[in-house]
Amino acid sequence: GQNIDQPTEMTATEGAIVQINCTYQTSGFNGLFWYQQHAGEAPTFLSYNVLDGLEEKGRFSSFLSRSKGYSYLLLKELQMKDSASYLCAVRDHRRGTNAGKSTFGDGTTLTVKP
Amino acid sequence: EAQVTQNPRYLITVTGKKLTVTCSQNMNHEYMSWYRQDPGLGLRQIYYSMNVEVTDKGDVPEGYKVSRKEKRNFPLILESPSPNQTSLYFCASSTPGGNEQFFGPGTRLTVL
Repeated sequence: GQNIDQPTEMTATEGAIVQINCTYQTSGFNGLFWYQQHAGEAPTFLSYNVLDGLEEKGRFSSFLSRSKGYSYLLLKELQMKDSASYLCAVRDHRRGTNAGKSTFGDGTTLTVKP
Repeated sequence: EAQVTQNPRYLITVTGKKLTVTCSQNMNHEYMSWYRQDPGLGLRQIYYSMNVEVTDKGDVPEGYKVSRKEKRNFPLILESPSPNQTSLYFCASSTPGGNEQFFGPGTRLTVL
């Protein structure tokens, strides 16, 4: 099975940089995902890592270390609209295909203050 | 517009009354999945399907059934709902090797 840990809450200031960590223990691994979820809305995809290293996409970057079971999401130049919950998720590897069971962490609620 | 739709969006029902929440996607995705989300908890996977007629249990399948007779539809069935199934439900879809799951808008279910 999968076990995912991430901080429950974080607070940061507009314009700053924040790093949200995620650690995981898995029986199978085929990718780590980050999703953003605003209150009352559906999650939306932010990033995907399957190999070690940093993936950058605009103000958002995600890092993965498979040997350490560790990932982080880096948000730069924070804006008020970045206040949301950030979900870390791991996809299992099943039956020789890439799709399978997905396990989500409990989410990190980020509050951006002026 | 590429999307995942769910119906109903809101439902209040009583214990034991069978219900179905529909999910449909227009992106020709093979992979579909159901999740529930409860306060303070992340998304927990109920069932997923890798293609038509192929379904598998997620982490919390008890009390739920699914079927996948067509690629676009993946209904969630609660044969005898109980209050502990009160939750926010999300359907999602992706390509089998896809890096992104597309989520429906959610169905808020209350079982009295």
